[in-house]
Amino acid sequence: GAGVSQSPRYKVAKRGQDVALRCDPISGHVSLFWYQQALGQGPEFLTYFQNEAQLDKSGLPSDRFFAERPEGSVSTLKIQRTQQEDSAVYLCASSSRRTLREGSRVKETQYFGPGTRLLVL
Amino acid sequence: DAKTTQPNSMESNEEEPVHLPCNHSTISGTDYIHWYRQLPSQGPEYVIHGLTSNVNNRMASLAIAEDRKSSTLILHRATLRDAAVYYCILRDGATGSNTGKLIFGQGTTLQVKP
Repeated sequence: GAGVSQSPRYKVAKRGQDVALRCDPISGHVSLFWYQQALGQGPEFLTYFQNEAQLDKSGLPSDRFFAERPEGSVSTLKIQRTQQEDSAVYLCASSSRRTLREGSRVKETQYFGPGTRLLVL
Repeated sequence: DAKTTQPNSMESNEEEPVHLPCNHSTISGTDYIHWYRQLPSQGPEYVIHGLTSNVNNRMASLAIAEDRKSSTLILHRATLRDAAVYYCILRDGATGSNTGKLIFGQGTTLQVKP
């Protein structure tokens, strides 16, 4: 079956430009995560959705970062007024065909997309 | 989530077993031990997870120390396609406000030589 897809795969933006990154999760998956991965580092959590509800946005680095999932499937991560430090790979992951209570979510495998590599010049 | 410590890099020869260590001395009783790996230019992928007992699946085995303060991911016969960054991650099964997010460290970069 289809896995998680992300688009675009590569994005070059000029400093100050707004960008939008798209994630198509595995069909039926309830949970959706966004991560940011700087060069040579492990991924870092940005935000989490359960269906259309954004339950955790504690990892978003500034108010320039905004994520949405209006219909509980496709998600968009938007970065306004991009800065050079925003250059990174942005990864999306999905999991769970069921709505799980908090303690059970840790057992669920997360399926990652290939990421969008953003370069801000 | 509790912190894990892994060696920065390891080397292995093709078709030989590989033992990737992970220390997690501050692990709590409700922490699950997960392993993910990230092949070059790809997103991470799940490898295996366990709580107390050793686990086996088609990809690897996970050996968990009796005191749970360390664990070892075992690849029984390394192939060139196993060259990746391997992440050992603790996930708390009991925290009240747990989204299930993954907290990655630096991981271990595994090189496999032909």
